[in-house]
Amino acid sequence: GAVVSQHPSWVICKSGTSVKIECRSLDFQATTMFWYRQFPKQSLMLMATSNEGSKATYEQGVEKDKFLINHASLTLSTLTVTSAHPEDSSFYICSAGYSGGAYEQYFGPGTRLTVT
Amino acid sequence: DQQVKQNSPSLSVQEGRISILNCDYTNSMFDYFLWYKKYPAEGPTFLISISSIKDKNEDGRFTVFLNKSAKHLSLHIVPSQPGDSAVYFCAASLPSYTGKLIFGQGTTLQVKP
Repeated sequence: GAVVSQHPSWVICKSGTSVKIECRSLDFQATTMFWYRQFPKQSLMLMATSNEGSKATYEQGVEKDKFLINHASLTLSTLTVTSAHPEDSSFYICSAGYSGGAYEQYFGPGTRLTVT
Repeated sequence: DQQVKQNSPSLSVQEGRISILNCDYTNSMFDYFLWYKKYPAEGPTFLISISSIKDKNEDGRFTVFLNKSAKHLSLHIVPSQPGDSAVYFCAASLPSYTGKLIFGQGTTLQVKP
């Protein structure tokens, strides 16, 4: 099956700093990548959709300037949490999909972000 | 507005028996449904899917049933195994496929030995 990796798997940072999370599709070219956020015991909340070479599409209520998404290649997307605050602490998961009618998304293992 | 709902937050089943996880949706425009399995601190793993033009799809121990008139789908796991213990999410997609999936809240399945 398709493999998606995320790095780092966990990160602790101080308030006010920025954190970058990488999402890579290892064995396929991902035309679209998605970033989700999951709070404890809650569903996955889609934050944004990114297509290679174009600007990300953010869901309502997600701050574009705070959560910077870059999809520079067909195998890499990055999420940068800028000026992090403790309320940004969460589990961030990326997924990747490819065109051609495939609806399935393949998820990365997630990144646990803790802002102190 | 929760368009995809999993009303049972948890389910406990004995090993070897059938596990039935349920999912309801409100948007009749959804044309594709998926089930994902998730362990703590890991990303979801795709399990099985079904197109809205079908009413059943089977893959090994997993079968998904779709009742469009009731806007209801279910995932059957037979026989259940302890390794099936995880959180199960159903998700739905719209025809104008942007890749966006709408997830339910998840059901935690515990399979007891």
